[in-house]
Amino acid sequence: GIQVEQSPPDLILQEGANSTLRCNFSDSVNNLQWFHQNPWGQLINLFYIPSGTKQNGRLSATTVATERYSLLYISSSQTTDSGVYFCAARPGSRLTFGEGTQLTVNP
Amino acid sequence: GAGVSQSPSNKVTEKGKDVELRCDPISGHTALYWYRQSLGQGLEFLIYFQGNSAPDKSGLPSDRFSAERTGGSVSTLTIQRTQQEDSAVYLCASSLMGQGLGNTIYFGEGSWLTVV
Repeated sequence: GIQVEQSPPDLILQEGANSTLRCNFSDSVNNLQWFHQNPWGQLINLFYIPSGTKQNGRLSATTVATERYSLLYISSSQTTDSGVYFCAARPGSRLTFGEGTQLTVNP
Repeated sequence: GAGVSQSPSNKVTEKGKDVELRCDPISGHTALYWYRQSLGQGLEFLIYFQGNSAPDKSGLPSDRFSAERTGGSVSTLTIQRTQQEDSAVYLCASSLMGQGLGNTIYFGEGSWLTVV
């Protein structure tokens, strides 16, 4: 099946800093999503982005499908951005998750 | 409903007992997924339902696990003879369709299972 790899596994930032999270996937996909898992465990949809670029406030994402990677950009980070960021991709029906990036934003 | 609804939100059970976890997907969504997340780990695929097609059960870890989806809507995940390693959050998700573009997957808040 498809392999999904995320980097870095851990990231510590000072409030206000910018960051880039990366997701590599091993196969062509028809669905790629970024999620934020908050401290209560809830998975929150950030982007549905199998290709192209999207922006939502301080967050933006770019997927280059031909090169099989996606990037999540967080600008002017806030403490509430802390949590785990997951990338998930699927070529068919099953959505396969990466291991996540644990982000900690310190005040 | 407005979102994917799961129950119970928390369940503590004794080793060896059976448990049932329920998922009510978003109205009109034909695809339904179950995932499991152990503490500090990523999400592990369990099972996938799409309409009236045979479910993809390839992620179920043992024959103690089973799931059904009645009437193409509500799903129940059953764990028989629970073991301590079954302790995890069980997450249900749904999407409008199973494949193809434009099929954002939405997750419920999960059922936290603790086996003591």
